[in-house]
Amino acid sequence: AQTVTQSQPEMSVQEAETVTLSCTYDTSESNYYLFWYKQPPSRQMILVIRQEAYKQQNATENRFSVNFQKAAKSFSLKISDSQLGDTAMYFCAFMRTQGGSEKLVFGKGTKLTVNP
Amino acid sequence: EPEVTQTPSHQVTQMGQEVILRCVPISNHLYFYWYRQILGQKVEFLVSFYNNEISEKSEIFDDQFSVERPDGSNFTLKIRSTKLEDSAMYFCASSEQIRLVGNSPLHFGNGTRLTVT
Repeated sequence: AQTVTQSQPEMSVQEAETVTLSCTYDTSESNYYLFWYKQPPSRQMILVIRQEAYKQQNATENRFSVNFQKAAKSFSLKISDSQLGDTAMYFCAFMRTQGGSEKLVFGKGTKLTVNP
Repeated sequence: EPEVTQTPSHQVTQMGQEVILRCVPISNHLYFYWYRQILGQKVEFLVSFYNNEISEKSEIFDDQFSVERPDGSNFTLKIRSTKLEDSAMYFCASSEQIRLVGNSPLHFGNGTRLTVT
């Protein structure tokens, strides 16, 4: 079974600085998807960024980028120029691409606080 | 931008009662999901639904739970005889395609907070 581990329960960063959230996963699959979701206090789950395992290039979305290390099974999220609105829970998630399973497997989350 | 809509936002019920959580997925989406998040814990998959039938369910999704798409727009989660441990945030989600490929991410609703007393 796939597992996703986020080793940092809480992190904080000063506004305008850069922060990196860690995520590791365990799978025997060769191809899969990885995601970062943001959950602000409103509790909505918002997709931040997505990476397909067969793509070597790291995904980027504006201030958000990932460092995908397939061999190490690591998928960290970097937030540049942190803003107060980035304060949220961040969940790393994994999904297989084959085998009939459609579910996302989530990590336990990292609570990020951006301080003014 | 179209959204997944969930109602109610908060539901309080007594142990042993039945509850129905409602969701309106995005109109052109074909794949529907329920996830659950117990307070302070991770989000867990409950069930996926396609073509009017369950396509996958987790161990959590036992006989106490059922899903239905009664009228082509709503997607409901019914919990029979609720237990205290059913208290959680329940998220509905939908996607246009399976596998979340291409530009078809999983869209989540804002969730229904269920409190069982």
